[in-house]
Amino acid sequence: ETGVTQSPTHLIKTRGQQVTLRCSSQSGHNTVSWYQQALGQGPQFIFQYYREEENGRGNFPPRFSGLQFPNYSSELNVNALELDDSALYLCASSSPGAGNEKLFFGSGTQLSVL
Amino acid sequence: TQLLEQSPQFLSIQEGENLTVYCNSSSVFSSLQWYRQEPGEGPVLLVTVVTGGEVKKLKRLTFQFGDARKDSSLHITAAQPGDTGLYLCAGSSISSGSARQLTFGSGTQLTVLP
Repeated sequence: ETGVTQSPTHLIKTRGQQVTLRCSSQSGHNTVSWYQQALGQGPQFIFQYYREEENGRGNFPPRFSGLQFPNYSSELNVNALELDDSALYLCASSSPGAGNEKLFFGSGTQLSVL
Repeated sequence: TQLLEQSPQFLSIQEGENLTVYCNSSSVFSSLQWYRQEPGEGPVLLVTVVTGGEVKKLKRLTFQFGDARKDSSLHITAAQPGDTGLYLCAGSSISSGSARQLTFGSGTQLTVLP
């Protein structure tokens, strides 16, 4: 089975720009979650998509938005980038309904905002 | 806001030594997971504990969930250089909406010296 893949692996942007990060979920998984991991910290929940709808959101402003496509792949969009948005962005896929979900994480996209 | 505190933040030990990493919260979680993350990679799930007082073993790793389901520990026996990595605990809860989200601790960076 294919794992979770994210692109690009690294990205450099300047303050005020917009960015789109992409994630392909593991085969058979219909739920995608996005997390932000700042340097030296644990990941923080941004939001989750299930059946192309956002079904949960963490404490992130509206300039963080997402999409999920019929093939369950997903995008994370961040508008008006700020310096503090520099972080590793992780995508995780899962298949709910099996009790406690097991998340499979991708290797992440390292975003640097200058 | 649910928080998970991990201690110690950094740990450097010699091969063959034992160690314990702690994860504490003032909140009750429906389950708690432990992940290991290596540089440039996403976290990889090691174990999920669900029942208060539960103990799970994974080779030289022993995981315990506190009776009140607010804290957990990870004990490694006879550590090896291959155990080096960032160990993260994560509590599972329901976010706004219906998404099951993980709240991560800030991690324990373990270095095992040969």
